Amino acid sequence: DGGITQSPKYLFRKEGQNVTLSCEQNLNHDAMYWYRQDPGQGLRLIYYSQIVNDFQKGDIAEGYSVSREKKESFPLTVTSAQKNPTAFYLCASSVGTKAGAKNIQYFGAGTRLSVL
Amino acid sequence: AQSVAQPEDQVNVAEGNPLTVKCTYSVSGNPYLFWYVQYPNRGLQFLLKYITGDNLVKGSYGFEAEFNKSQTSFHLKKPSALVSDSALYFCAVRVPTGGGNKLTFGTGTQLKVEL
Repeated sequence: DGGITQSPKYLFRKEGQNVTLSCEQNLNHDAMYWYRQDPGQGLRLIYYSQIVNDFQKGDIAEGYSVSREKKESFPLTVTSAQKNPTAFYLCASSVGTKAGAKNIQYFGAGTRLSVL
Repeated sequence: AQSVAQPEDQVNVAEGNPLTVKCTYSVSGNPYLFWYVQYPNRGLQFLLKYITGDNLVKGSYGFEAEFNKSQTSFHLKKPSALVSDSALYFCAVRVPTGGGNKLTFGTGTQLKVEL
């Protein structure tokens, strides 16, 4: 988990509330990713960013939003439109956009989001 | 579309015995394949990858994986299991061109190593 910091570790959301999960990396990586993990479903990609000020939707982007204003930061907002937000959220980063052999994704320790 | 299958939800093995965690994949073109391990309430840790070259790949903590193109498999192995190997293991695939380095993960296999 070194180099990628996710906060908070636990987060509770009230109905109708937006919440923001933080992801910071000090690895000087260009690319960053957000995944959602549910039991028995593996990891599903929410959003990813290949470079500052640019990001793309993943497989399950509805109800989520992101920004990439700085290279080291990629916050994820879970909006009130996400009706089933309870999950474990993982942030990852990798060297760059080119799918080269060294482009391994490294993960943070995760944030567990629950609904009150 | 690329996909990964991990056919076993759980694998049980006695300490000291060899272990195998299975993974099969489906992609168009040549795949990049990865294994990650996850301990409870933690992020994923990279174990090993196959890009090209030798079909037997060695990784961290004594793990290895064998790439079999004809069977489209990338099974994770270890000659002698430890109780500390008990964790959730994920196989992942990526296409080498395009796709923005997106990984597709399997559903995970829980490995339980018992004394």
